[in-house]
Amino acid sequence: DIQMTQSPSSLSASVGDRVTITCRASQSISNHLNWYQQKPGKAPKLLIYAASNLQSGVPSRFSGSGFGSEFTLTISSLQPEDFATYYCQQSHGALTWTFGQGTKVEIK
Amino acid sequence: EVQLVESGGGLVQPGGSLRLSCAASGFTFSNYWMTWVRQAPGKGLEWVANVKQDGSATYYADSVKGRFTISRDNAKNSLYLQMNSLRAEDTAVYYCGMYTSGYYGIDSWGQGTLVTVSS
Repeated sequence: DIQMTQSPSSLSASVGDRVTITCRASQSISNHLNWYQQKPGKAPKLLIYAASNLQSGVPSRFSGSGFGSEFTLTISSLQPEDFATYYCQQSHGALTWTFGQGTKVEIK
Repeated sequence: EVQLVESGGGLVQPGGSLRLSCAASGFTFSNYWMTWVRQAPGKGLEWVANVKQDGSATYYADSVKGRFTISRDNAKNSLYLQMNSLRAEDTAVYYCGMYTSGYYGIDSWGQGTLVTVSS
């Protein structure tokens, strides 16, 4: 099974900061990597699909990059509504999926 | 507007069974793969199962294989998760979701239904 490891598990940042979250796969997954945002008590929301493609309606301050086994989610200028938990998800392995453990972005 | 509404959650004893439903509207249900994802209290997301558009193929996480069955009824625009031999570690909010291909991610989610396995 493909394992996904996110880092850091949590971070504190201020409004306006640039934030980067990393997701590493235990084997190459090409660009079969998606990113989600989840706020407390809410369902996850798709931000980025296929490693670097912005989902419709998602602000352009969010971006994704990477290929193979290392991926990043970047928020170029953190806004108050961006404080949430972020998950990566691989969709490469034999039609079985794995999520990363999550990264909680908190207010500094 | 796409809507996914889960139901069927509740309190069940260890070893018991429960059937979750997900009612879909606002899109052509039969065109989409469907998925169940769960989240234990205070924990991260865990993929549970996927089903193909016509129900001919299903895929499961190892943690639920042999105990859970995902199915769908395209005539009723409904997705199901039959959960048997439930364990305390199955306690979670269960979300249904839709996607065209794993490559494009789960683009719509329901609000979730809570399943609690406890004596």
